[in-house]
Amino acid sequence: GENVEQHPSTLSVQEGDSAVIKCTYSDSASNYFPWYKQELGKGPQLIIDIRSNVGEKKDQRIAVTLNKTAKHFSLHITETQPEDSAVYFCAATENYGQNFVFGPGTRLSVLP
Amino acid sequence: GAVVSQHPSRVICKSGTSVKIECRSLDFQATTMFWYRQFPKQSLMLMATSNEGSKATYEQGVEKDKFLINHASLTLSTLTVTSAHPEDSSFYICSASWGVSGELFFGEGSRLTVL
Repeated sequence: GENVEQHPSTLSVQEGDSAVIKCTYSDSASNYFPWYKQELGKGPQLIIDIRSNVGEKKDQRIAVTLNKTAKHFSLHITETQPEDSAVYFCAATENYGQNFVFGPGTRLSVLP
Repeated sequence: GAVVSQHPSRVICKSGTSVKIECRSLDFQATTMFWYRQFPKQSLMLMATSNEGSKATYEQGVEKDKFLINHASLTLSTLTVTSAHPEDSSFYICSASWGVSGELFFGEGSRLTVL
């Protein structure tokens, strides 16, 4: 089955700097890769996703890149703000809407 | 994006009692919903997949008689923790997949504390 690894487990950056979180997956059949942000005491919120037919996707300060050959994808946050502080989870699936496998999460702290 | 609502957000109960948590898709129909359990500082652990009109599919190690799941309509799934014990205390989160895109949206989560 699919296995998703995520690094780093914790990340601290200064406000205004960039943050990068990387995930690797094992199943080459996986074709959908979402990223979720979870604030303390709340459910995860979908912030960006990418499908296997695309190499990069950007939404304002957030971008995701996908390298299918190497089987890894990354979340990039530019101009970080204190409200970006949260736990971020990546996920992978080969079946839209089913069988999502989540990474262990990255705790991002943006220091003012 | 689609909205998934979960209720209650917090519940405290005595050991031995049962607790029901509701998960609703507010602006779309969800044939499939998922229930997760999350321990502090850990990732999401899939407990079961809930399919409208049929029995839920439980992950290995999850007691189906302890965690009863009902998905009676396209917008509502419920999780009942039966005869709850302190070790059942956790953060329970539901999610639903949206349309043909397959995007997964989560509820706000329910924190269960069993005394």
